[in-house]
Amino acid sequence: AQSVTQLDSQVPVFEEAPVELRCNYSSSVSVYLFWYVQYPNQGLQLLLKYLSGSTLVESINGFEAEFNKSQTSFHLRKPSVHISDTAEYFCAVTGAGGTSYGKLTFGQGTILTVHP
Amino acid sequence: NAGVTQTPKFRVLKTGQSMTLLCAQDMNHEYMYWYRQDPGMGLRLIHYSVGEGTTAKGEVPDGYNVSRLKKQNFLLGLESAAPSQTSVYFCASSRRSGAVTDTQYFGPGTRLTVL
Repeated sequence: AQSVTQLDSQVPVFEEAPVELRCNYSSSVSVYLFWYVQYPNQGLQLLLKYLSGSTLVESINGFEAEFNKSQTSFHLRKPSVHISDTAEYFCAVTGAGGTSYGKLTFGQGTILTVHP
Repeated sequence: NAGVTQTPKFRVLKTGQSMTLLCAQDMNHEYMYWYRQDPGMGLRLIHYSVGEGTTAKGEVPDGYNVSRLKKQNFLLGLESAAPSQTSVYFCASSRRSGAVTDTQYFGPGTRLTVL
């Protein structure tokens, strides 16, 4: 079984400032890691994912996350945020095996609010 | 291509009433999932299905039943609704792959209130 902890429930930040949303996980098996974003009154959209290979993964809108196996972390960063990045962000994990069937375990979510 | 759709978008029930939430996907995905989202708790898996005619329990299955009679549809039923089932329900689907790496696509959600 896996678990995910997002260390900050809310992160306020000013526009064009850098941001880091923290995520730690625990698992007894190898994992795949994901960040999803949820805009107000919408479903979840995949932001980026780590499956294997390079530990640094990037999204098309400037976010990046680094898989750190020794610290069991997958923190999300963006060097300069925009108002449009205001949303709730979820870190999620699934076991890297066939019997996981893609079932995701989510963190509690971090609400990112970007102020002008 | 509508992706994942959910019906209804909103519903208010009284304690003890029953209802069915419908999830439909047009991407020919094998896997489908039902999650509930509660403030401060993220999303929790209720039930899932790895193919037509098969279902399995997730993390919080009590009080819910599911059926997958057709590949494109995944129904979530509440036989006797309780206030603790007030939540936002999300359906998701994904393609089966050997390494289980495929993205889950989420529906827009159903907001259920049980009085």
